[in-house]
Amino acid sequence: RKEVEQDPGPFNVPEGATVAFNCTYSNSASQSFFWYRQDCRKEPKLLMSVYSSGNEDGRFTAQLNRASQYISLLIRDSKLSDSATYLCVVNIGAGGFKTIFGAGTRLFVKA
Amino acid sequence: DAGVTQSPTHLIKTRGQQVTLRCSPKSGHDTVSWYQQALGQGPQFIFQYYEEEERQRGNFPDRFSGHQFPNYSSELNVNALLLGDSALYLCASSPRTGGYTFGSGTRLTVV
Repeated sequence: RKEVEQDPGPFNVPEGATVAFNCTYSNSASQSFFWYRQDCRKEPKLLMSVYSSGNEDGRFTAQLNRASQYISLLIRDSKLSDSATYLCVVNIGAGGFKTIFGAGTRLFVKA
Repeated sequence: DAGVTQSPTHLIKTRGQQVTLRCSPKSGHDTVSWYQQALGQGPQFIFQYYEEEERQRGNFPDRFSGHQFPNYSSELNVNALLLGDSALYLCASSPRTGGYTFGSGTRLTVV
């Protein structure tokens, strides 16, 4: 079983739609959680951290459920520029940490 | 403020050869991690360096080795190259507490 699992998609949605991605992790020693965005042939870039209480950044909302070892990302009012691969990321351990990436979920937003 | 810089950007090597990839971390970052990203996959953790020592390692063979220098820059060495080593190699730097910044990567092709 992979340490971090995501639905690879692709998700094809029209502009203005709301779309949600899910991610599960298997290691209970996971300490911190992030969503990264990666455009085609570019490096990953941090989109947002994920906190237990849930957090929002504009049109993006992230949720963490530690009991179910589950993370989600919700994108509201999708824009064409949101088309990218979204990577779920988990830091395992405290002090010295190991960062594990999911394989990513591809999103295509169409006009 | 210079971000993470990697060199070279592209590289072509023959099977059996050795390669060295270089990374300069973002100013203020002391931890460097290396990732391998095959086409259509998420980044796979190779190893992490902090205080010039390898602190964490993913599931990569001993052909993959690294080094961190006193100025925090790092090298990734791969010996006895295989066709399957062809990938984008990403360097990410962070402060000790996490929050990666990625370089644009080195695209290695083994022929």
